Amino acid sequence: QQQVKQSPQSLIVQKGGISIINCAYENTAFDYFPWYQQFPGKGPALLIAIRPDVSEKKEGRFTISFNKSAKQFSLHIMDSQPGDSATYFCAASMSNAGKSTFGDGTTLTVKP
Amino acid sequence: DAGVTQSPTHLIKTRGQQVTLRCSPKSGHDTVSWYQQALGQGPQFIFQYYEEEERQRGNFPDRFSGHQFPNYSSELNVNALLLGDSALYLCASSFQGYEQYFGPGTRLTVT
Repeated sequence: QQQVKQSPQSLIVQKGGISIINCAYENTAFDYFPWYQQFPGKGPALLIAIRPDVSEKKEGRFTISFNKSAKQFSLHIMDSQPGDSATYFCAASMSNAGKSTFGDGTTLTVKP
Repeated sequence: DAGVTQSPTHLIKTRGQQVTLRCSPKSGHDTVSWYQQALGQGPQFIFQYYEEEERQRGNFPDRFSGHQFPNYSSELNVNALLLGDSALYLCASSFQGYEQYFGPGTRLTVT
């Protein structure tokens, strides 16, 4: 049973465009939703995270939108740059549990 | 401040052998989690250590075991290696389970 579903699997965006990646979860006990960025040969790096008591969180060009009733959350990358080309993972976990359940990842390519 | 470090970077083993991977957490962190990441997939949770005890375990066989030392560093041991164990093994540290910071991983190849 896959508890976190991520889409799309791959995404190609022009430089300056908006990249949008979506995730859906099943377990309503999840209360911490991070996004990670991973470059080839590197470990995932925490990008931004949100808790279900807010509907949106913005850090620089990265925004998480959260819809608790739909059990969905998304990552928006504004003004996408070629340096943003990487694999992005959404994840979900329960308070203090530490264990994160990851989506399958989205490979983002930003064309110059 | 050093982040999470892992050793070795790469490792090649033969089926049936045993392997030990090591992780040093980020300064100030007390919790270490291990993940297996197969090519093209998201990380899968193996187990988590806190106060030198295994606190949680994912859906991995007993061939996977671990240890946490008093200085919070950790080891992951895999016995009787299978070809399917080939993957990137990631260590993540956190303070009492919240924001996790990942190391660069150990690439294990089983031949």
